[in-house]
Amino acid sequence: NAGVMQNPRHLVRRRGQEARLRCSPMKGHSHVYWYRQLPEEGLKFMVYLQKENIIDESGMPKERFSAEFPKEGPSILRIQQVVRGDSAAYFCASSSTGLETQYFGPGTRLLVL
Amino acid sequence: AQKVTQAQTEISVVEKEDVTLDCVYETRDTTYYLFWYKQPPSGELVFLIRRNSFDEQNEISGRYSWNFQKSTSSFNFTITASQVVDSAVYFCALSELEYGNKLVFGAGTILRVKS
Repeated sequence: NAGVMQNPRHLVRRRGQEARLRCSPMKGHSHVYWYRQLPEEGLKFMVYLQKENIIDESGMPKERFSAEFPKEGPSILRIQQVVRGDSAAYFCASSSTGLETQYFGPGTRLLVL
Repeated sequence: AQKVTQAQTEISVVEKEDVTLDCVYETRDTTYYLFWYKQPPSGELVFLIRRNSFDEQNEISGRYSWNFQKSTSSFNFTITASQVVDSAVYFCALSELEYGNKLVFGAGTILRVKS
């Protein structure tokens, strides 16, 4: 049973570009969560999605960030017009229901030059 | 309010020593879950354990053991006979039924095990 997949593992963008981070949940999981780990900081919740629905986006920055989890395909975290402060590790996790254990992917390390 | 405190920023031990990582949490919910995750130098997050608020039984898994005490709001993690491969950052986390399943993480404890 494949784990949570994230790609790319590393992403370099220049200021002002767009970053798209992808997450494929574990097989059978329909709940996806995104977390961000800023340098020297802990992990912070960003958004919680089910297929085609955003359940909780209380941790998402108000501007430039969006997330989706379409009926088909991976979940996407999109960051528009990236700034240096967006440089971080972005982790995706999935669970089978809204109450079960979240299993994490390997993360995407975003570096904004 | 949800809060998880890992007061130990960094711990260094010599191989074969026992080490305990502390975790204290705050919650107003009666139904909640506590977790430990390990982040080795390679960077991924590895799930170690989940406990629910109604199960205070301590758990042992090989060299790992966990002590959950609701009276002190603590969920401590002990590694017995530590090994170099245990070197990692360890995160304690909390999720509350009231707030869905989102995890609130502590700041993490860096464990360095020297040979």
